[in-house]
Amino acid sequence: DTEVTQTPKHLVMGMTNKKSLKCEQHMGHRAMYWYKQKAKKPPELMFVYSYEKLSINESVPSRFSPECPNSSLLNLHLHALQPEDSALYLCASSQEGQGYNEQFFGPGTRLTVL
Amino acid sequence: AQKITQTQPGMFVQEKEAVTLDCTYDTSDPSYGLFWYKQPSSGEMIFLIYQGSYDQQNATEGRYSLNFQKARKSANLVISASQLGDSAMYFCAMSLYNFNKFYFGSGTKLNVKP
Repeated sequence: DTEVTQTPKHLVMGMTNKKSLKCEQHMGHRAMYWYKQKAKKPPELMFVYSYEKLSINESVPSRFSPECPNSSLLNLHLHALQPEDSALYLCASSQEGQGYNEQFFGPGTRLTVL
Repeated sequence: AQKITQTQPGMFVQEKEAVTLDCTYDTSDPSYGLFWYKQPSSGEMIFLIYQGSYDQQNATEGRYSLNFQKARKSANLVISASQLGDSAMYFCAMSLYNFNKFYFGSGTKLNVKP
């Protein structure tokens, strides 16, 4: 199984809502990532989890809250978002600590904040 | 600091012809990996090919090859015999040894004409 799955595919939320994005992989990868991508731009790294511990936070606003409940799951909790947070949110996973590791990406969640 | 530069925002190629997408990189670290990803309009980032900084031979994967010129710090992607399904955004990325962070270029939008 070389797949990273993400749910939901599309999400529309108001600025006062609380929602969560979910990511799952069963490749035994111990590093998982959240990226934000605006149209026609490269992905921007938000968070990295290594062995279920947060290892990189790219100064992301606190209205985004990541969680890694186990080695296969990664969540991104959203609260009080702004319209400029509308974007494609990509999850990825990779091997950990074995040199240069290609990242396997999920299909993304297209988020619209009204 | 690490930097990836893709100078071609958009390119057109005729079906069945070969095309080269340019990528230059900058790093003072001697150990790095270079990656190419394809992103169709659906959003998923698809891993295409990888080249390590110490690899002597250029990487190849089917119709994809990576023209690695270390002295020039370039890692161009060559797609042979273009197909309509190759129309997508292409990103060049770099990672450092055992470091879970990708540095992405700005991307090249490839359009394959029938």
